[in-house]
Amino acid sequence: AQKITQTQPGMFVQEKEAVTLDCTYDTSDQSYGLFWYKQPSSGEMIFLIYQGSYDEQNATEGRYSLNFQKARKSANLVISASQLGDSAMYFCAMREGYGNNRLAFGKGNQVVVIP
Amino acid sequence: DSGVTQTPKHLITATGQRVTLRCSPRSGDLSVYWYQQSLDQGLQFLIQYYNGEERAKGNILERFSAQQFPDLHSELNLSSLELGDSALYFCASSVDPGYDGELFFGEGSRLTVL
Repeated sequence: AQKITQTQPGMFVQEKEAVTLDCTYDTSDQSYGLFWYKQPSSGEMIFLIYQGSYDEQNATEGRYSLNFQKARKSANLVISASQLGDSAMYFCAMREGYGNNRLAFGKGNQVVVIP
Repeated sequence: DSGVTQTPKHLITATGQRVTLRCSPRSGDLSVYWYQQSLDQGLQFLIQYYNGEERAKGNILERFSAQQFPDLHSELNLSSLELGDSALYFCASSVDPGYDGELFFGEGSRLTVL
């Protein structure tokens, strides 16, 4: 069964606008972690933001914030003030349990920022 | 720069051949993870090593094997290659399996099987 679901089609975003990328997850664990990674066309995987299942506050890292809705099992990424360099694939990932740092990834969301 | 080094960056080979991909984790990281990224399967976890010992296996084919050496670098061996093995292979590292934070990824090794 798919643990991470990212179903949005490719998105075009105007520069300086905000964009929200959807991610839903499926787990029966109480302890888990949620991550977002960025993959530009060059291919590397760049860590953006992390949310622990017990964290009460939504995580923020600069222009990135994670809208964590535990009851709905969603962990949407919000990118504010989009820049041309934000054009990339964005992957949501989950670590289940504790003592295990393996990540399960979603299929990704393609974002293109237009000037 | 994540601090994880992968070589080679690109590799082109023929079906039936064998290749070795190499990974050096970040300084101080004991745990190494291998992932395969293909168009149809997405990012799939292959195998994890911690301090030289295999820790977990994912969707790794029997034709593939890996090891982690005493200096903590790791190698992923792919044999009897098929067209479908063409993919981007990532190595990632973390301090230990219990570390609660992110994995640090290398830039990947792009394998093309012709």
